[in-house]
Amino acid sequence: GAGVSQSPRYKVTKRGQDVALRCDPISGHVSLYWYRQALGQGPEFLTYFNYEAQQDKSGLPNDRFSAERPEGSISTLTIQRTEQRDSAMYRCASSLDPNNYGYTFGSGTRLTVV
Amino acid sequence: GQSLEQPSEVTAVEGAIVQINCTYQTSGFYGLSWYQQHDGGAPTFLSYNALDGLEETGRFSSFLSRSDSYGYLLLQELQMKDSASYFCAGGSSGSARQLTFGSGTQLTVLP
Repeated sequence: GAGVSQSPRYKVTKRGQDVALRCDPISGHVSLYWYRQALGQGPEFLTYFNYEAQQDKSGLPNDRFSAERPEGSISTLTIQRTEQRDSAMYRCASSLDPNNYGYTFGSGTRLTVV
Repeated sequence: GQSLEQPSEVTAVEGAIVQINCTYQTSGFYGLSWYQQHDGGAPTFLSYNALDGLEETGRFSSFLSRSDSYGYLLLQELQMKDSASYFCAGGSSGSARQLTFGSGTQLTVLP
C-alpha cells in the first residue's frame, strides 16, 4: 500500500483480555519494526523483523508480548492477559531494508486497558 | 546500548533559525536520524547522517560529528507549521539494526 496501515486505530480492553494489533507495511519493505510510545516520549523499541524472521525481540517487556510476521508482510503484535500498564500508543514502522534508517511509521494503535 | 539526550523544549519566532542539539552515548553507533512528530500524528522521517558533516534538505539541515558524539538539526526560515516534536534517533551497527530514539524536543514557533 501507499503507507503503513495499522488496525485497530483505537482499542479499549478489559484487564486480563488478550489483544492483537495488526500492521500492514509498505509493499516491498523488508524490515518491519514495532515501537511503543508514551505521551511526551520518544518511541521505545519492542521488536523487529526482516522478511518473516524476527531479528530482535529484546525490547518486548515480558513474555506476555509476542509478535509474528509469518509471510514476510503483515505483522501482528499480541499482548496476552493485558494489564493497565500496557496502555500506550503502539506504532509499527517499515523500511526498505535493514540498512535504511528512514522509517515510515503508521498512525498507531491507541491501546487502553481498563 | 544507546542513549540520546536532547533539550526538552525550544521556542523561536517565525522566520528565525533554530538549532536542536543531540548528544549520544552508544556502542556500535551507525548513524543519526531525525524525525518530526506533530501532535496526534506519526513520526515522519526528516534526515539521516551516516558520515560526519552537514546534510541539507530544503529548510532543514542535519549535522553529525562522530568524534564529539554530537549532532544537530537546523531549521531555517521557521514557519508556524514547524511547531512539533523533533526526535533524534541512533542507528546501530551489527545485528541490532533498530533505531533508539531520544525523548524529543518540543519546538514552539511564535508569530
